[in-house]
Amino acid sequence: EVQLVESGGGLVQPGSSLKLSCVASGFTFSSYNMHWIRQAPKKGLEWIALIYYDSSNKYYADSVKGRFTISRDNSKNTLYLEMNSLRSEDTAMYYCAKGDWELDYWGQGVMVTVSS
Amino acid sequence: DIQMTQSPPSLSASLGDKVTITCQASQNINKYIAWYQQKPGKAPRLLIRYTSTLESGTPSRFSGSGSGRDYSFSISNVESEDIASYYCLQYDNLPPTFGGGTKLELK
Repeated sequence: EVQLVESGGGLVQPGSSLKLSCVASGFTFSSYNMHWIRQAPKKGLEWIALIYYDSSNKYYADSVKGRFTISRDNSKNTLYLEMNSLRSEDTAMYYCAKGDWELDYWGQGVMVTVSS
Repeated sequence: DIQMTQSPPSLSASLGDKVTITCQASQNINKYIAWYQQKPGKAPRLLIRYTSTLESGTPSRFSGSGSGRDYSFSISNVESEDIASYYCLQYDNLPPTFGGGTKLELK
């Protein structure tokens, strides 16, 4: 059974940093591209980052480019999202998702709140 | 970026109704569209990929169709467990982009 479990969220002040993790199980993690998607409260879904299965390519939404960094450790079956210079508009539920292109399995999400 | 215009934003249906949601892409997406169901407080669940391919476990009352820029997603015989929000996703081009969502409610 595919499982994706996010952690690392919380309440932080504007301008601060946070690093999210997503631990994967139930599939060969090193064979699949992985994504981060977020959802602001009562809003729709926003894709924010993609990393290839071998970390050879990374892509970001314009809204986070230069502030967020996606990475992975295939030896630990873990995906990361390092978030710097956080803004109030980054407040959202953050989901990791598996899938080369379509996102076929999602974690349960982790909440990030940016507020003073 | 490809824009996905999803309509309607909300939909009210009775049990047993057929409902249809549409997504129009700002350019041809070559059938690379997926449909997701999201229930309150839960992560989205993939129902359909590549326009019309049902995922394992997706009931047959769900269907998808379309080509080019125009796509649709239908639920025949709406059941109470179908009350949720639905999103389309194009994955033909990077960045992947979602439609704005459709909230399905019971009439």
